[in-house]
Amino acid sequence: DTGVSQDPRHKITKRGQNVTFRCDPISEHNRLYWYRQTLGQGPEFLTYFQNEAQLEKSRLLSDRFSAERPKGSFSTLEIQRTEQGDSAMYLCASWDGNTEAFFGQGTRLTVV
Amino acid sequence: QKEVEQNSGPLSVPEGAIASLNCTYSDRVSQSFFWYRQYSGKSPELIMSIYSNGDKEDGRFTAQLNKASQYVSLLIRDSQPSDSATYLCAVRTDKLIFGTGTRLQVFP
Repeated sequence: DTGVSQDPRHKITKRGQNVTFRCDPISEHNRLYWYRQTLGQGPEFLTYFQNEAQLEKSRLLSDRFSAERPKGSFSTLEIQRTEQGDSAMYLCASWDGNTEAFFGQGTRLTVV
Repeated sequence: QKEVEQNSGPLSVPEGAIASLNCTYSDRVSQSFFWYRQYSGKSPELIMSIYSNGDKEDGRFTAQLNKASQYVSLLIRDSQPSDSATYLCAVRTDKLIFGTGTRLQVFP
């Protein structure tokens, strides 16, 4: 499979726990984006990388969120001390900087 | 003003009709424009991209772009019940920004 892969697909966690999601982009794509989507809303930009460099982080992203992309390949998004308001679909997208961006299947997080 | 605006809908059209979805954007330096389709519980799927003024057709889909008016639209001809989904307009400068999406319902 040469598409964008996200893991896990679903995550249920207790409030206050830390969670980490992984995204494997299309191999030749140097840009990787993280979005969050809640019901009835469009994907909300969180952060993006060009290769291993994190170029922008949304002002909406609290200090509990951190993302990495070591070696410019896969990326991880960590949420510390989860809150119920963090429940959402977390989407990863990759693109080559020239044409279209493609999304992974998303990780659905439920904080109970 | 939101960066990308869409009517949330729902837009209801009968099977076989033309569905017209509209989007406006605020950043004049935007160069690339996309329409994604999203079924409930699934991730967005790219259906059309457009980069220059005018129309671009792909099967039953036509994207229209007017940079002077900061307006992009998607027409779906011969709408089918399987087209029922949320359609997301996205605009790219250095990052991809989405509208809230328009929910389309095609009834038999």
